[in-house]
Amino acid sequence: AQSVTQPDIHITVSEGASLELRCNYSYGATPYLFWYVQSPGQGLQLLLKYFSGDTLVQGIKGFEAEFKRSQSSFNLRKPSVHWSDAAEYFCAVGREDDKIIFGKGTRLHILP
Amino acid sequence: DGGITQSPKYLFRKEGQNVTLSCEQNLNHDAMYWYRQDPGQGLRLIYYSQIVNDFQKGDIAEGYSVSREKKESFPLTVTSAQKNPTAFYLCASSPDRGGYGYTFGSGTRLTVV
Repeated sequence: AQSVTQPDIHITVSEGASLELRCNYSYGATPYLFWYVQSPGQGLQLLLKYFSGDTLVQGIKGFEAEFKRSQSSFNLRKPSVHWSDAAEYFCAVGREDDKIIFGKGTRLHILP
Repeated sequence: DGGITQSPKYLFRKEGQNVTLSCEQNLNHDAMYWYRQDPGQGLRLIYYSQIVNDFQKGDIAEGYSVSREKKESFPLTVTSAQKNPTAFYLCASSPDRGGYGYTFGSGTRLTVV
């Protein structure tokens, strides 16, 4: 069955520290991959997406993600977090002809 | 600017009443989706529509109904049959059947008292 796993429900990092949010997927073919961010009480905003080509993808707000086919992973990274990065982050997978499947999310907390 | 508009932002209803949440998009997207979000449960798909006058049930369709009479509009009705309707509801759209990513509205917080 197709699925997306975000193993960390909560992550806490200090402001200025680096960040990595994990995402693993199970899919029948090479999927399209996405990371979304959600601030409290708001909708989801697309951070970045991978369809094909270079496996290191740059997104908005200084985020990047790397697709690793051998590990079925698409981890999100940021070299130095800001207090404004505190939010919930969703990994998602899809294909051209199918609906997107979302992970359950990782809530990021930032320590001052 | 193009986007998705959900209204209202906050909605309060008495138990046993039906309530309709609005979702309008001006992106010329073919597909539209409704999700329910509860703390710790991620996004759960309620209904989706890939073309006008057609829609399909998602994972948690019981107690909900939708219509898609116009490409721009995909209203969701929460009926009295929905046992626990208090939640945050998100509408999304995509240019095609979905794989290229969704654009989300800002959500409606429904509270049933």
